[in-house]
Amino acid sequence: QSVLTQPPSASGTPGQRVTISCSGSSSNIGSNTVNWYRHLPGTAPKLLIYSDDQRPSGVPDRFSGSKSGTSASLAISGLQSEDEADYYCAAWDDSLNGGVFGGGTKLTVL
Amino acid sequence: QVQLVESGGGVVQPGRSLRLSCAASGFTFSSYGMNWVRQAPGKGLEWVALILYDGSNKYYADSVKGRFTISRDNSKNTLYLQLNSLRAEDTAVYYCAKIRGFRATTVTTFDYWGQGTLVTVSS
Repeated sequence: QSVLTQPPSASGTPGQRVTISCSGSSSNIGSNTVNWYRHLPGTAPKLLIYSDDQRPSGVPDRFSGSKSGTSASLAISGLQSEDEADYYCAAWDDSLNGGVFGGGTKLTVL
Repeated sequence: QVQLVESGGGVVQPGRSLRLSCAASGFTFSSYGMNWVRQAPGKGLEWVALILYDGSNKYYADSVKGRFTISRDNSKNTLYLQLNSLRAEDTAVYYCAKIRGFRATTVTTFDYWGQGTLVTVSS
């Protein structure tokens, strides 16, 4: 049971926009910034969004992040087949005094 | 360019110990916090431990507290994770990850990751 809650799966067709949610509490998302990662099995995870809504250089503007209260979202527009991967949200938790990840969302491009 | 290379994984019996290393290059290692993150087979990512850039503070997940120890040698640009009293549920790929942000502290913004090293705990 992860501290941050994500839907286990999401899907869309090429060109569509999909959104992945991440729900937490006042001790994590409510008081610290959220980061999003993309992970393909057997490879190193990649930082997609940091500080709630910032994109590292090299990440396409098709990826965007937002946060409201104790929830955050990752949006992917113009869906492409190569976007198929597992997506994770993460934040620091002040009560646990440690980092926490969501359970991950497996994105399928139909 | 930034490189993080983990080593030290392998098969170990329950209750035994193992030490993982992460060799860093391409950045000023002593200026950045470092983490260990793991992924058990078929499971999601789990944050394990953080050590600040100067080693002054260390943080652990409850699941490993008292059994694992994170450390660093800034003169060797190397991060370590000592794993003691290993359990079957510690079986995972262990990644080292660099914090984004000069001297940043308690954040989960990891801009570079290694390829991981597999630890299998089995009798």
